[in-house]
Amino acid sequence: EAQVTQNPRYLITVTGKKLTVTCSQNMNHEYMSWYRQDPGLGLRQIYYSMNVEVTDKGDVPEGYKVSRKEKRNFPLILESPSPNQTSLYFCASSSTGGWSPLHFGNGTRLTVT
Amino acid sequence: AQKITQTQPGMFVQEKEAVTLDCTYDTSDPSYGLFWYKQPSSGEMIFLIYQGSYDQQNATEGRYSLNFQKARKSANLVISASQLGDSAMYFCAMRGFQGGSEKLVFGKGTKLTVNP
Repeated sequence: EAQVTQNPRYLITVTGKKLTVTCSQNMNHEYMSWYRQDPGLGLRQIYYSMNVEVTDKGDVPEGYKVSRKEKRNFPLILESPSPNQTSLYFCASSSTGGWSPLHFGNGTRLTVT
Repeated sequence: AQKITQTQPGMFVQEKEAVTLDCTYDTSDPSYGLFWYKQPSSGEMIFLIYQGSYDQQNATEGRYSLNFQKARKSANLVISASQLGDSAMYFCAMRGFQGGSEKLVFGKGTKLTVNP
């Protein structure tokens, strides 16, 4: 089954404790990206990657890191999480031909206390 | 800068009736894609329909159609014969390139409630 898999689904952590949210897709998509969703703000792009070893900042990259060492994986790293990073996070992927729709993971609800 | 505006925070519709969810966009790029996603209360994002800026005909997918008016920069979603399962948040999004970077911008969403 074609899918984008995010883990974990839920995560509660404390300020300053480094964490990684994993994202993997099995559709051989070149494009992958991360979003955060906050009430009343819709989805905002954190980082995206057009292909392996190519990453670019989205609209809200501060406090986040990403890497794209393999085509299928695009982990999101919070080196020193803060409470304002409490949010619902989505990973998504797509092919790059034309304006292809994004396929989303099921989301990761992160709480930073 | 690219921008998506959804002016209806909430909408109500009776089951089996049609409903239109509004979306206006702003971009200076001639080439872009417009998308609608559904987010039920369970939280996942479900792709519904897509329209390319150069597409001549309005997109349709089953009960969903996209009323694309390029001159007005609008891309409204029309859901025909609403069902209770259509109750969800709906997001309009635009994908394009700006300054050499890919941009994907979402609106703030419209919460649709279908009443029996």
